[in-house]
Amino acid sequence: TQLLEQSPQFLSIQEGENLTVYCNSSSVFSSLQWYRQEPGEGPVLLVTVVTGGEVKKLKRLTFQFGDARKDSSLHITAAQPGDTGLYLCADAGNMLTFGGGTRLMVKP
Amino acid sequence: DTEVTQTPKHLVMGMTNKKSLKCEQHMGHRAMYWYKQKAKKPPELMFVYSYEKLSINESVPSRFSPECPNSSLLNLHLHALQPEDSALYLCASSQDAGGFNYGYTFGSGTRLTVV
Repeated sequence: TQLLEQSPQFLSIQEGENLTVYCNSSSVFSSLQWYRQEPGEGPVLLVTVVTGGEVKKLKRLTFQFGDARKDSSLHITAAQPGDTGLYLCADAGNMLTFGGGTRLMVKP
Repeated sequence: DTEVTQTPKHLVMGMTNKKSLKCEQHMGHRAMYWYKQKAKKPPELMFVYSYEKLSINESVPSRFSPECPNSSLLNLHLHALQPEDSALYLCASSQDAGGFNYGYTFGSGTRLTVV
């Protein structure tokens, strides 16, 4: 059984700070996706990464996929209150098995 | 239309009631999913329908009964639930089972409270 671990579990920062959250798997990802979920809503897809070493940027968000395809990171530059939410990594090749999530709060 | 619509948004039911959750998508997706999400936890897969046929049941108790009347609709029938079944129930769809390249589109969920 694949285990996905995300760290940190909780993160509270001030507006304008940078942050990085991590996702590690006990086995190789076939395809890794990052989602953000706001309270009372369903998760929304941010990015899909497939190739080891891949880097994707989405405005202030930078996603990296490890060379061995067993880990990934999400870096947010100059965080804003609108970035507040639950960030989930998931193995899309495994019927979307989710990691435990990182709960981010960005204070004005 | 790029949405998954779930109704109702909120539902309170007694342990002897029978109710149904509904999910609809018009994106032509051929796979649809039910997930259960408890507070402060990630979503957990319950059922997968691929081309209108149940392909995965993650050992869900029989008091939850899924139904896929057509390629756009997915229902979850509820009967004799327990208070611990209270959760956010999320419906999702993808182009095909696995969502490998195109990802999953989630609805906003139904917040279920069993009293």
